Amino acid sequence: DSGVTQTPKHLITATGQRVTLRCSPRSGDLSVYWYQQSLDQGLQFLIHYYNGEERAKGNILERFSAQQFPDLHSELNLSSLELGDSALYFCASSVEAAQREGRGTDTQYFGPGTRLTVL
Amino acid sequence: AQSVTQLDSHVSVSEGTPVLLRCNYSSSYSPSLFWYVQHPNKGLQLLLKYTSAATLVKGINGFEAEFKKSETSFHLTKPSAHMSDAAEYFCVVSEAWRALTFGSGTRLQVQP
Repeated sequence: DSGVTQTPKHLITATGQRVTLRCSPRSGDLSVYWYQQSLDQGLQFLIHYYNGEERAKGNILERFSAQQFPDLHSELNLSSLELGDSALYFCASSVEAAQREGRGTDTQYFGPGTRLTVL
Repeated sequence: AQSVTQLDSHVSVSEGTPVLLRCNYSSSYSPSLFWYVQHPNKGLQLLLKYTSAATLVKGINGFEAEFKKSETSFHLTKPSAHMSDAAEYFCVVSEAWRALTFGSGTRLQVQP
């Protein structure tokens, strides 16, 4: 158990709908990252938040957005869903101490994922 | 820009024989390198991590990896495979302040 929790575990919805995925980081971790895992694209970085602020964006569609709240949990909002959005969505958290101290990249601890199926 | 190439999409070994999963990376800076494992219908678990300390990194479950800068490689090895090692393995690269870049994965099959 990594200490990162994600809800829900499974989500089935229809095209055109909007869903919200939730992530709670490990205790003490300030950074949350979102990743998408699909059969055709593999594992791709979507977006990174650090202590409530957006830090970096990856291959995130404009229909997708995220935020990190004062209690450090994060939500990923997916709207106008398409069949191709069906994937496993992971969040990961890290403390980022190593990066601040110039000791490389901190380990990211991954949650169990949310499997999204768009019908 | 950072990138990582896993040279084999599938590797099949017999239980008790050595495991070698190959990974080459590209990075403009001194990267951090990771190996993660994903068992079926499970999340990603960190196996080991390299961050410019010792070039031979030991991880969990008997796995280790050697960082070779001259070859830009970070291959994962294990002396003796176990049935429970069957899973998908991801080589990952990251430069400071950047998100992780994953390889395409290597599916390890362990035959009895």
